[in-house]
Amino acid sequence: KQEVTQIPAALSVPEGENLVLNCSFTDSAIYNLQWFRQDPGKGLTSLLLIQSSQREQTSGRLNASLDKSSGRSTLYIAASQPGDSATYLCAVTPGYSTLTFGKGTMLLVSP
Amino acid sequence: DTEVTQTPKHLVMGMTNKKSLKCEQHMGHRAMYWYKQKAKKPPELMFVYSYEKLSINESVPSRFSPECPNSSLLNLHLHALQPEDSALYLCASSQVYRGANYGYTFGSGTRLTVV
Repeated sequence: KQEVTQIPAALSVPEGENLVLNCSFTDSAIYNLQWFRQDPGKGLTSLLLIQSSQREQTSGRLNASLDKSSGRSTLYIAASQPGDSATYLCAVTPGYSTLTFGKGTMLLVSP
Repeated sequence: DTEVTQTPKHLVMGMTNKKSLKCEQHMGHRAMYWYKQKAKKPPELMFVYSYEKLSINESVPSRFSPECPNSSLLNLHLHALQPEDSALYLCASSQVYRGANYGYTFGSGTRLTVV
């Protein structure tokens, strides 16, 4: 059974810092990996989607990498801002129509 | 249109009520999903529709009844719910083709409170 682990569970940083969120998964047979952001009480916003054949994706200040062989992904956030404060969820698609989530990293960026 | 729209945003219902949650997407995605999310937990899969047919039911109690009237709409009918069913209900869609899944788009959710 696929398991997804996110480290750290919570992170508090001052504004302007660069930071890395980690995600690991137990079964390398995935179709893709997706990073989401969730604000309290809100839905999930897709940040980056990495197909299994890709190594990384970039969007603005965000960069996500994928190493299938080691079962790891990282989300790099450059020059963090208070508006980046949210819970970040990593999810893998191990099958045709299922999605396995990690428990998330709760990020707080203080001014 | 790159959104999944869910209505209502908030719903309070009694344990004897019947209500429905609605979800709509116009991205041409052929897979649609219902997830349930409790506070400080990741979303949990409830149902999957693929090409308008129910393909996965994660042993959800029968008081939750999904319906997919067409490729753009997904409903979740609620009846005789319990207070522990209070949660954020999320709808999602994805494009699936030849055994591959091309990423998920989630709606903003319906916050359900059962009293």
